[in-house]
Amino acid sequence: KAGVTQTPRYLIKTRGQQVTLSCSPISGHRSVSWYQQTPGQGLQFLFEYFSETQRNKGNFPGRFSGRQFSNSRSEMNVSTLELGDSALYLCASRRLHERTDTQYFGPGTRLTVL
Amino acid sequence: KQEVTQIPAALSVPEGENLVLNCSFTDSAIYNLQWFRQDPGKGLTSLLLIQSSQREQTSGRLNASLDKSSGRSTLYIAASQPGDSATYLCAAPGRDDKIIFGKGTRLHILP
Repeated sequence: KAGVTQTPRYLIKTRGQQVTLSCSPISGHRSVSWYQQTPGQGLQFLFEYFSETQRNKGNFPGRFSGRQFSNSRSEMNVSTLELGDSALYLCASRRLHERTDTQYFGPGTRLTVL
Repeated sequence: KQEVTQIPAALSVPEGENLVLNCSFTDSAIYNLQWFRQDPGKGLTSLLLIQSSQREQTSGRLNASLDKSSGRSTLYIAASQPGDSATYLCAAPGRDDKIIFGKGTRLHILP
């Protein structure tokens, strides 16, 4: 069974631009979560989608948004990029939105904002 | 608000030694706790998931324990190997179901 895939793996943008990251969950998984990882703040929860609905949201500004499609693939968008948005963005999938489910992570997208 | 702390931030031990990584959490009303491994520049690999009804979980040389009353979890690695070198993170849910991660322990096994 293929794992969680994320595209692109690396991205360089300049301040003010916007970016869209993509995540394809493990086949059969309906929940997708997004995280931002930086050296200073560690891993921080962005949001979780389940069956095309946002189920939970972290404490990030409205410039960070996401969506989920009917095939469970998810996209994350960051508008008006800032230098501080440089980070590793990880997505994770799990079968359902059940508390007993293990999260499986993708390799991440490394975003650099210049 | 759930806070997850991992001490120490970094650890170096000679190959072959047994070691323990620590994770503490402030809100004991958790339904599970998960340990992950992260290699440099890579995503996270799930190691063990302990449900609140369990006290420990084992996978190969790894054993994770959970003590909700004290707000602590430990990851025990037996007979450490250079390939175990990585950052180990623990994660616990808050009451709002958001998963909160510790900042990790960077482990270096010396050959």
